[in-house]
Amino acid sequence: EAGVAQSPRYKIIEKRQSVAFWCNPISGHATLYWYQQILGQGPKLLIQFQNNGVVDDSQLPKDRFSAERLKGVDSTLKIQPAKLEDSAVYLCASSPGTGYTGELFFGEGSRLTVL
Amino acid sequence: GQQLNQSPQSMFIQEGEDVSMNCTSSSIFNTWLWYKQDPGEGPVLLIALYKAGELTSNGRLTAQFGITRKDSFLNISASIPSDVGIYFCAGQGSNYKLTFGKGTLLTVNP
Repeated sequence: EAGVAQSPRYKIIEKRQSVAFWCNPISGHATLYWYQQILGQGPKLLIQFQNNGVVDDSQLPKDRFSAERLKGVDSTLKIQPAKLEDSAVYLCASSPGTGYTGELFFGEGSRLTVL
Repeated sequence: GQQLNQSPQSMFIQEGEDVSMNCTSSSIFNTWLWYKQDPGEGPVLLIALYKAGELTSNGRLTAQFGITRKDSFLNISASIPSDVGIYFCAGQGSNYKLTFGKGTLLTVNP
């Protein structure tokens, strides 16, 4: 079974530029998450989708971050304009069903460096 | 928001030794989970605990869900070099939000 696919693996941009990350979850997984992991910290939830609807985006900085999950499958996370403090690994995860068990399957992450 | 205190922050041990790490919270959780993250990879689920007092094993790993529902611990017996990585606890409350600890970095000296 293929895992959660993410791209790009690495991205370096200058502040005020924009960047987009893509995620393809495990086939059949209804719930998709985007997490931000700053160096030395645990993952922090940015947004949770169930199918193509948003379940929780309370910690998403909506002035600069946006995410969509069209057709309830793959998803994109965009940052525009980027700030220095956005340097982090952006992890996509998926889970079967409604995601109420906490058992998540993570991708390898997309490492963003903002200069 | 909910906060998890995970300790120790890091551990350096010899191969074959046992390891213990724990996580405490100011809030009650309904589920405790332990994940491991290797360098350049995403976290991988090791053990999930759903009931206060529950003790669950997965090979050389044993985890417990504290009776107060505010803590959990993870033990690794007879450590091997591939146990190296960052171990995260995660708690899930009644709102189903998952909160991660800051991680314990484990280094195993062969």
